[in-house]
Amino acid sequence: DVKVTQSSRYLVKRTGEKVFLECVQDMDHENMFWYRQDPGLGLRLIYFSYDVKMKEKGDIPEGYSVSREKKERFSLILESASTNQTSMYLCASSPHGTPNTEAFFGQGTRLTVV
Amino acid sequence: GIQVEQSPPDLILQEGANSTLRCNFSDSVNNLQWFHQNPWGQLINLFYIPSGTKQNGRLSATTVATERYSLLYISSSQTTDSGVYFCAVQNTGFQKLVFGTGTRLLVSP
Repeated sequence: DVKVTQSSRYLVKRTGEKVFLECVQDMDHENMFWYRQDPGLGLRLIYFSYDVKMKEKGDIPEGYSVSREKKERFSLILESASTNQTSMYLCASSPHGTPNTEAFFGQGTRLTVV
Repeated sequence: GIQVEQSPPDLILQEGANSTLRCNFSDSVNNLQWFHQNPWGQLINLFYIPSGTKQNGRLSATTVATERYSLLYISSSQTTDSGVYFCAVQNTGFQKLVFGTGTRLLVSP
């Protein structure tokens, strides 16, 4: 069965802290994604990666970085958390393929920055 | 970039009713997915349907790629169908999924 697992369902962090959100997939997928979801703004792409050590900026990369040292793991890093980064974060993965292939999502992490 | 519009934005049904959700997109796509977001926030895959028709139990979906729309049918709705339904598409050669704004469905007993 397809499995994308995010390390935490709920997180509360303080302003200025460095925050790591972890995502692991067990499907040997090449592509991995980080989205954030906010009321009224929908789901927006932060970063994605199409291979180990490769990364591409999405629509809203400011204030975030990512790390992909292993194929199965994609980490989202908030270098210095701010209150406007309070949001729902969703990780996804998909295999390489032509045409585009089906994506699968993790359970989400609700991050609150206080 | 490609635009994705979903309608209606909100829908309230009595248990047992049928409904149709619509997704319009502004450009050609080679991937279209329907998701159900449950109350805990997880996106559950319903259909991967870049074209044609698929059925899974009480749910079915049809995508007419040449006319740039997709429909999700829910028959004999149940309270567990409540949540937000998203349509998401991908353009040729670009891995990013672009999401619609969703349809919020409430099924009352």
